[in-house]
Amino acid sequence: DQQVKQNSPSLSVQEGRISILNCDYTNSMFDYFLWYKKYPAEGPTFLISISSIKDKNEDGRFTVFLNKSAKHLSLHIVPSQPGDSAVYFCAASAPGGNEKLTFGTGTRLTIIP
Amino acid sequence: DAGVIQSPRHEVTEMGQEVTLRCKPISGHNSLFWYRQTMMRGLELLIYFNNNVPIDDSGMPEDRFSAKMPNASFSTLKIQPSEPRDSAVYFCASMVRGIYEQYFGPGTRLTVT
Repeated sequence: DQQVKQNSPSLSVQEGRISILNCDYTNSMFDYFLWYKKYPAEGPTFLISISSIKDKNEDGRFTVFLNKSAKHLSLHIVPSQPGDSAVYFCAASAPGGNEKLTFGTGTRLTIIP
Repeated sequence: DAGVIQSPRHEVTEMGQEVTLRCKPISGHNSLFWYRQTMMRGLELLIYFNNNVPIDDSGMPEDRFSAKMPNASFSTLKIQPSEPRDSAVYFCASMVRGIYEQYFGPGTRLTVT
């Protein structure tokens, strides 16, 4: 049972435009969400996170939006740059001292120069 | 800061052989995680430790897999005997407990022929 879903395996965006990556979850107990970025032959690196008490968190070109009623989060990258080409994973965690992260299957973002 | 160190980076072995993957977490991190990444299932958590104690091994696929953390600076994931379906990239990650951001190593690409 995939509790965190990234339904788009790939996405291509023109350089300078906005990239929007989507993630849906089914477990209403999740209260903390993260996005990771992964380049080939490297481990995932943390990008940005959001707590369920917020609906938006911004860090430079990256903004994460959380819609709890829809159990949906999205990552916006604007403007998109060639170095943003990577696989993006969303992840979620439940409260209660549980450090486990449940990851989605990833979306491969390609920025077209 | 050296980051999470994994060895070997690549491992090719024959079916039936024992495989040992190694991980050195970031100094001061007290939670350690082993993940497996495949095309079909994305990033799956296999097992994690808090303060060197295994907390949740429900992701370990079968008894052929075992993990140990004898001290705060070293962990191993062992597969005995290995099978072709174990071929994947195995990641180790560490974090400070209570802070959700996990730091990943570069991964070990395992190929079982």
